[in-house]
Amino acid sequence: GQNIDQPTEMTATEGAIVQINCTYQTSGFNGLFWYQQHAGEAPTFLSYNVLDGLEEKGRFSSFLSRSKGYSYLLLKELQMKDSASYLCAVSNSNYQLIWGAGTKLIIKP
Amino acid sequence: ETGVTQTPRHLVMGMTNKKSLKCEQHLGHNAMYWYKQSAKKPLELMFVYNFKEQTENNSVPSRFSPECPNSSHLFLHLHTLQPEDSALYLCASSQGAGDYNEQFFGPGTRLTVL
Repeated sequence: GQNIDQPTEMTATEGAIVQINCTYQTSGFNGLFWYQQHAGEAPTFLSYNVLDGLEEKGRFSSFLSRSKGYSYLLLKELQMKDSASYLCAVSNSNYQLIWGAGTKLIIKP
Repeated sequence: ETGVTQTPRHLVMGMTNKKSLKCEQHLGHNAMYWYKQSAKKPLELMFVYNFKEQTENNSVPSRFSPECPNSSHLFLHLHTLQPEDSALYLCASSQGAGDYNEQFFGPGTRLTVL
């Protein structure tokens, strides 16, 4: 079967750095997405990786290793507004997005 | 504001009711999606429409009936639902249903079935 694994919940301190991991097993690979979802709101796009390596976008970075079926989202200089769920999704051989259950990130002052 | 709107935002219905969820996208996209989101579970893809044609139906029960009259509008017709159908129903759109397909989501309809 196809599955995406990510931690259920993480806690971090304002101003610190946190890394959210995602491992995947899918039928084919056409890219990996990270989305942010605040409680009661729509998921919003954060990043897309299709080649190995690190993609940096401001305070957020996303890393991919296709050989290991692994990605992480790195959030720096955490702010209270970063408290949200972070969803990992992989586009498989049919370009269908396979989703993880999301990681709820709690930021403490 | 993502360019995708959904109505209603909240819906409470009995198991014998018939209701419809509406989604509209203002992004000029060609693909639209219905997802079900339950607490602590992955997003479940229900239906995909590409250029108004249904290209995906992930074994969804017939009590859920989608309709896509044009590339900008998507409906989900509901009838004789079960309490386990209570969830957040998300609509999304993308430029196309293949290749790089960043999806833009609406705010969702929170459905409660009594």
